[in-house]
Amino acid sequence: TQLLEQSPQFLSIQEGENLTVYCNSSSVFSSLQWYRQEPGEGPVLLVTVVTGGEVKKLKRLTFQFGDARKDSSLHITAAQPGDTGLYLCAGGRTLTGGTSYGKLTFGQGTILTVHP
Amino acid sequence: GAGVSQSPRYKVAKRGQDVALRCDPISGHVSLFWYQQALGQGPEFLTYFQNEAQLDKSGLPSDRFFAERPEGSVSTLKIQRTQQEDSAVYLCASSLGGIGGRSNQPQHFGDGTRLSIL
Repeated sequence: TQLLEQSPQFLSIQEGENLTVYCNSSSVFSSLQWYRQEPGEGPVLLVTVVTGGEVKKLKRLTFQFGDARKDSSLHITAAQPGDTGLYLCAGGRTLTGGTSYGKLTFGQGTILTVHP
Repeated sequence: GAGVSQSPRYKVAKRGQDVALRCDPISGHVSLFWYQQALGQGPEFLTYFQNEAQLDKSGLPSDRFFAERPEGSVSTLKIQRTQQEDSAVYLCASSLGGIGGRSNQPQHFGDGTRLSIL
């Protein structure tokens, strides 16, 4: 059962367009990570956000963690064909007592295709 | 290389056969995770090791799935009496810390083993 809902599931756009991917949950997460995965490869970490309301920028990518730490968004400005791939959000939880070992709950992913 | 290594990259088995998937984590990484990823979906957690101890196996779908990490480094995921629904990519990830660490430690993933059950 996926506790993180990503939308849209598929996104096909032209080079130069902007886009936003959403990751929503009814549960609170202690951290939210975004990964990018290419066919035949494992996910590669893009960013981790840990504070409610936090915004991080990575070149043309902007990541935001919701104030209540239940949702996150990824915004890409001026998309390029090299941005094509599967984008995954993943939430981490702190266990009872404050400990954690980093178990991640993944969303179902957004397949992004950027056409030249 | 210095990354997480998984073997074999591809495995085809007949229904009912047993399979074993290997993961070589990054040297020195305490934590090791196994995930199952169905086609077009996000990975789903299977099990977690801190060194040689299997501390969480809540994601293993059935008792046909077994994982071990006897010396705290290499791990093997074994699936007995495979079924067609076991067809998926099996991902291994490792991270530096263990229990008591931060929930936001980066996990380094291998490229997975694509398992196809005929």
